[in-house]
Amino acid sequence: KQEVTQIPAALSVPEGENLVLNCSFTDSAIYNLQWFRQDPGKGLTSLLLIQSSQREQTSGRLNASLDKSSGRSTLYIAASQPGDSATYLCAFNDYKLSFGAGTTVTVRA
Amino acid sequence: NAGVMQNPRHLVRRRGQEARLRCSPMKGHSHVYWYRQLPEEGLKFMVYLQKENIIDESGMPKERFSAEFPKEGPSILRIQQVVRGDSAAYFCASSQTGANTGELFFGEGSRLTVL
Repeated sequence: KQEVTQIPAALSVPEGENLVLNCSFTDSAIYNLQWFRQDPGKGLTSLLLIQSSQREQTSGRLNASLDKSSGRSTLYIAASQPGDSATYLCAFNDYKLSFGAGTTVTVRA
Repeated sequence: NAGVMQNPRHLVRRRGQEARLRCSPMKGHSHVYWYRQLPEEGLKFMVYLQKENIIDESGMPKERFSAEFPKEGPSILRIQQVVRGDSAAYFCASSQTGANTGELFFGEGSRLTVL
């Protein structure tokens, strides 16, 4: 059974600082992984999808890497803004998505 | 292009009543997934359906819960004889291809409160 861990559980940074969110998983037999953003009381917004054959994906200020051998994925958010405040979830797809508990990010203006 | 649509957004039921949650996938998507998010907990997989078929229901409680995705119309998650422990946010996701290749898109969720 896939176990997904996200560290840290919460993070508070001043505006403009770069964010580094970590996600680790126990089973390397994954098809792909997705990073999501969830705002309070809202649904999940897909940020990035990385297929198992890829090592990273980029979209604007976001970059996600995947290292299957070490069982890790990292989400980088450059030049953070207050609007980036949300909970970020990683999910590993070993046929069905297994979610981490999330990292709650607060960007202070 | 409308996203995944879920309704109702909020539902209040008394213990013992039935709850029906509906999900319309994105246009062109034939794969639907239901997840549950309990307060202060992460999202847990419940069931994976394709049109008229249940592919994987390993996350569904054995009793009181059922799901369907008919040929016409939305997917339905049905909870019979609700109990307080069923209070949670229920999210639906859809994908164009199967979960092992496709990107999943989520709805805004249906928040069930059981009194």
